[in-house]
Amino acid sequence: GQNIDQPTEMTATEGAIVQINCTYQTSGFNGLFWYQQHAGEAPTFLSYNVLDGLEEKGRFSSFLSRSKGYSYLLLKELQMKDSASYLCAAYGQNFVFGPGTRLSVLP
Amino acid sequence: KAGVTQTPRYLIKTRGQQVTLSCSPISGHRSVSWYQQTPGQGLQFLFEYFSETQRNKGNFPGRFSGRQFSNSRSEMNVSTLELGDSALYLCASSLAGTGGIDTQYFGPGTRLTVL
Repeated sequence: GQNIDQPTEMTATEGAIVQINCTYQTSGFNGLFWYQQHAGEAPTFLSYNVLDGLEEKGRFSSFLSRSKGYSYLLLKELQMKDSASYLCAAYGQNFVFGPGTRLSVLP
Repeated sequence: KAGVTQTPRYLIKTRGQQVTLSCSPISGHRSVSWYQQTPGQGLQFLFEYFSETQRNKGNFPGRFSGRQFSNSRSEMNVSTLELGDSALYLCASSLAGTGGIDTQYFGPGTRLTVL
């Protein structure tokens, strides 16, 4: 079967670092994607990993361990505009999205 | 480049009716995927089209169907609408060739309300 799990909600302070974890089980895994979705808007692409390791893109980094079925998204120097839902999506034969983690950044 | 566009943006229908939603992908993108997003279920995959052929299909009843045209534009149709079909329907396009994996770019969605 296919299953993706993420924490439902997280809260962090402006300027801090936050790590959003994602565990997955899919058949024929080919890659792990992260999307950001602000309330009332469409998801926008943040990062993806195909191989094990860390991918860094400015304030955002994503890590993948294929053997553990685990990924995380790291957000540094948090800003108020980072308050959004973060969706983890595993690609096997098609994209399977997790339930999303709602991040609230407080001043 | 223009982004993914979806029409209409909002739609209100009654139970038993049918609806057709349209998606125009980013120029050059040949893969179009459709998703249903609800507060309870999150983003769920409906189907993917590539070069006018359905390449993958999610676990939705046959009331949900789609097609893709030669210009890569895609439509999805929902027949015999039920209250539970109320959702945000998102379309995403990508270059995705034979390998299938590529970044997806989402349109703004069509918010369907079934009364």
